[in-house]
Amino acid sequence: SQQGEEDPQALSIQEGENATMNCSYKTSINNLQWYRQNSGRGLVHLILIRSNEREKHSGRLRVTLDTSKKSSSLLITASRAADTASYFCATPLQGGSEKLVFGKGTKLTVNP
Amino acid sequence: SQTIHQWPATLVQPVGSPLSLECTVEGTSNPNLYWYRQAAGRGLQLLFYSVGIGQISSEVPQNLSASRPQDRQFILSSKKLLLSDSGFYLCAWTNWAWVGRSDEAFFGQGTRLTVV
Repeated sequence: SQQGEEDPQALSIQEGENATMNCSYKTSINNLQWYRQNSGRGLVHLILIRSNEREKHSGRLRVTLDTSKKSSSLLITASRAADTASYFCATPLQGGSEKLVFGKGTKLTVNP
Repeated sequence: SQTIHQWPATLVQPVGSPLSLECTVEGTSNPNLYWYRQAAGRGLQLLFYSVGIGQISSEVPQNLSASRPQDRQFILSSKKLLLSDSGFYLCAWTNWAWVGRSDEAFFGQGTRLTVV
C-alpha cells in the first residue's frame, strides 16, 4: 500500500522558476526522505528530514515537514533544465520496520 | 565505498518463460535488501524485502519470488512470466542498525523487463 502521495503528479515550469512538490503520508514516521529519478534510471537520495525537524536545506533544495498535517514539501529554487526528473517521497514505517515505501512521484519538467 | 550491481539492464522474455534477476551489494555487511517494481510512469511498488540471509518478506502476492542465498545477494525469480510482469525492476539496500535510525536507500540502475 502507498504511504506517501505526491502532489502534483506532473509539474512543468520554466528555467529559473521555483518548483514545489508536496507529499502527504498516513502513519506516524521517524523521518521522511526525498529521492530523484532520471528517466529509466535508479533513484538517488536527495535529502532526509527527521520527525523532530521542521525545515532542512541542501543547496537549492528546501524541505519542510509538518507532522501535525502529515505532510512535507520539497522546494527546488532557481530550477535548471537538468532538474527535469521524477521526485518521490519515501517513509520508513515506524516501529522498527525495515519497510521503505514510496509515493507515486511528481514528474517535473523544466523548460529551457 | 558501497556499490550495488543489478543485471541485466534490459530483458525481453516470452510469456511462460522463467525469470531470474540478480542484485549484489558491495562494501557493506548485513544490509536490508529490497525489490521494487515500477510500471511505466508510475510509482514504486515494494515487492519483497529481506533483513538477512533466508529472511524474505513478501508485500504483494503474485507469481514472483525472492531469495537471499548470501548476505549481499538478492534474487528475484519467476517460474512462468505473465504479460503483467512487464515493468522496471529496481533493487535497493539500506543499513539500519537500530530501531528508529534510518539512513538513505541506495538503488541499482534497474532492469527493464518486457514480457512478450
